[in-house]
Amino acid sequence: SAVISQKPSRDICQRGTSLTIQCQVDSQVTMMFWYRQQPGQSLTLIATANQGSEATYESGFVIDKFPISRPNLTFSTLTVSNMSPEDSSIYLCSVVWGSEAFFGQGTRLTVV
Amino acid sequence: QKEVEQNSGPLSVPEGAIASLNCTYSDRGSQSFFWYRQYSGKSPELIMFIYSNGDKEDGRFTAQLNKASQYVSLLIRDSQPSDSATYLCAVNKAGGSYIPTFGRGTSLIVHP
Repeated sequence: SAVISQKPSRDICQRGTSLTIQCQVDSQVTMMFWYRQQPGQSLTLIATANQGSEATYESGFVIDKFPISRPNLTFSTLTVSNMSPEDSSIYLCSVVWGSEAFFGQGTRLTVV
Repeated sequence: QKEVEQNSGPLSVPEGAIASLNCTYSDRGSQSFFWYRQYSGKSPELIMFIYSNGDKEDGRFTAQLNKASQYVSLLIRDSQPSDSATYLCAVNKAGGSYIPTFGRGTSLIVHP
């Protein structure tokens, strides 16, 4: 299995500011995934973070808004930039170990 | 058509009853199917996976897969109030991708 430590667990931010979310995995993994989960909605994949290369973004998500870093095989960050109230959501990092997905504890973001 | 569809519920069942959760998927070549449980305010955790047509039982949980109908279900026998959660269906696409696609989840309420 994989254990993921994600922080912060929650934050309240002013619109126009940025927040960086960190995830640390206890094992080396090639890919890390960043999801957004809005109330009552499914997990929406934002991007796949690959070590040593640019992140791969899903349709509707762009690097300028959600820059991602992946400096090594156990760590990744997601920044939510120039935030607006529409960015209020839960953000989750995830890895796939075997074929099972493991998740960080999530970051509950509220933009005011 | 969404790739993985679930009825959002809530599905309300009395304690001791069988809860039946359903999921359909659009990619006929999908190979792996998963059920995750997500308690309110928590991250999803894997409870069942199934790869082959038919039934797979694990304790009070039974996963059922019908690839011809593109349908996967989760049965929970002797439902307990502690089973109250959102259940997410996830499908790994064909072609060996290990990036799961999640449904929006079905909220299950087991009342005493």
